[in-house]
Amino acid sequence: KQEVTQIPAALSVPEGENLVLNCSFTDSAIYNLQWFRQDPGKGLTSLLLIQSSQREQTSGRLNASLDKSSGRSTLYIAASQPGDSATYLCAQGQSGAGSYQLTFGKGTKLSVIP
Amino acid sequence: DVKVTQSSRYLVKRTGEKVFLECVQDMDHENMFWYRQDPGLGLRLIYFSYDVKMKEKGDIPEGYSVSREKKERFSLILESASTNQTSMYLCASSFTTGGGLGYTFGSGTRLTVV
Repeated sequence: KQEVTQIPAALSVPEGENLVLNCSFTDSAIYNLQWFRQDPGKGLTSLLLIQSSQREQTSGRLNASLDKSSGRSTLYIAASQPGDSATYLCAQGQSGAGSYQLTFGKGTKLSVIP
Repeated sequence: DVKVTQSSRYLVKRTGEKVFLECVQDMDHENMFWYRQDPGLGLRLIYFSYDVKMKEKGDIPEGYSVSREKKERFSLILESASTNQTSMYLCASSFTTGGGLGYTFGSGTRLTVV
């Protein structure tokens, strides 16, 4: 069974700092990897999706990378802001037999201190 | 803007009641999913459906059932609500192969069973 691990579970940084969130997965036959943001009491908002043929994706201050050989993905946030405070989840995608499913990590709770 | 809509943000139900959670998507997605999310346990898959009238058990189907009579609507049913079903419930949808969007989530339903 696939496993996705996110370490650390919580992270606190001062405003303006660049930071990296880590995600590791066990299945090298990854189809894609998706990063989400979740605000307290809310649903998940998709941030970036990296296909298995890609190495990275960028959106604004966010950059996500994928290294299949090491089973790792990172989410880089540049010039962090208090509004970036949220829980960030990564999920590994598998596709086959007519279905597509994500396996989720438990998330990293980020606090950006003004 | 593509959307997954969950009919209720907050619900309070009594033990033993039959509870319906509704989810509607407007993206013509084949796949739909129901998760529950609890502190420390992450997202756990309850049921999913990859086509109309089709359903598959996820990791924790006990105490739940689902219905998918139309492609756009996926309902989660708690046959006899219990206090241990107090949780955040999240609905998601996707194309069969994930496509370029991966999963799209609704905003969640916070269910309290008293």
